[in-house]
Amino acid sequence: QVVLTQSPSASASLGASVKLTCTLSSGHSSYAIAWHQQQPEKGPRYLMKLNSDGSHTKGDGIPDRFSGSSSGAERYLTISSLQSEDEADYYCQTWGTGFKVFGGGTKLTVL
Amino acid sequence: QVQLVESGGDLVKPGGSLRLSCAASGFTFSDYYITWIRQAPGKGLEWVSYISSSGSAIYYADSVKGRFTISRDNAKKSLHLQMNSLRAEDTAVYYCARDGHGCSGGSCFSDYWGQGTLVTVSS
Repeated sequence: QVVLTQSPSASASLGASVKLTCTLSSGHSSYAIAWHQQQPEKGPRYLMKLNSDGSHTKGDGIPDRFSGSSSGAERYLTISSLQSEDEADYYCQTWGTGFKVFGGGTKLTVL
Repeated sequence: QVQLVESGGDLVKPGGSLRLSCAASGFTFSDYYITWIRQAPGKGLEWVSYISSSGSAIYYADSVKGRFTISRDNAKKSLHLQMNSLRAEDTAVYYCARDGHGCSGGSCFSDYWGQGTLVTVSS
């Protein structure tokens, strides 16, 4: 079964950039993932689908500050020009026939 | 615009039952797979179940298999989750989410989420 691993926390300064990582378990490096953002006390929001080749499709209204990239089994979410509202939990998700899997989430703190 | 609105969450005793609903609008409901996802207090997201657009394909997480039943009514644009034999560990906010298109095999990422409904299992 595929497992997604995320660092529990990350931090960066207002106006800076941050790169969050989601790692696919061994043997699953070809899987696409999706990134979701969950602001405090809110439901999750879809950010983008990210393919193994780094191509990505963003959700409606997602700013250009959010981008994705891939390298091997790693899937990245880069947020540039950090704003206070970017402080949130970020989850990666993958899927297949009969299952969906989420990473444990990364709590991003904007300093 | 796409909207998913969950309802039915409540306080229920261990061993009890509850039926959650999800009302959809703003898209052709019958064209999309729909998924239930839950989040225990202070914890991450956990997939619960999903159902294909026609209802012919249904899958459950091992943690709820045999206790939960997902169903949909395409005419009424609604999704349901019948939860039986509830346990304390089922306490969570339950979200319904629409699956996106463009994935092989039908199952796909979640591209729109509801706001969630809270289920509390406690004596």
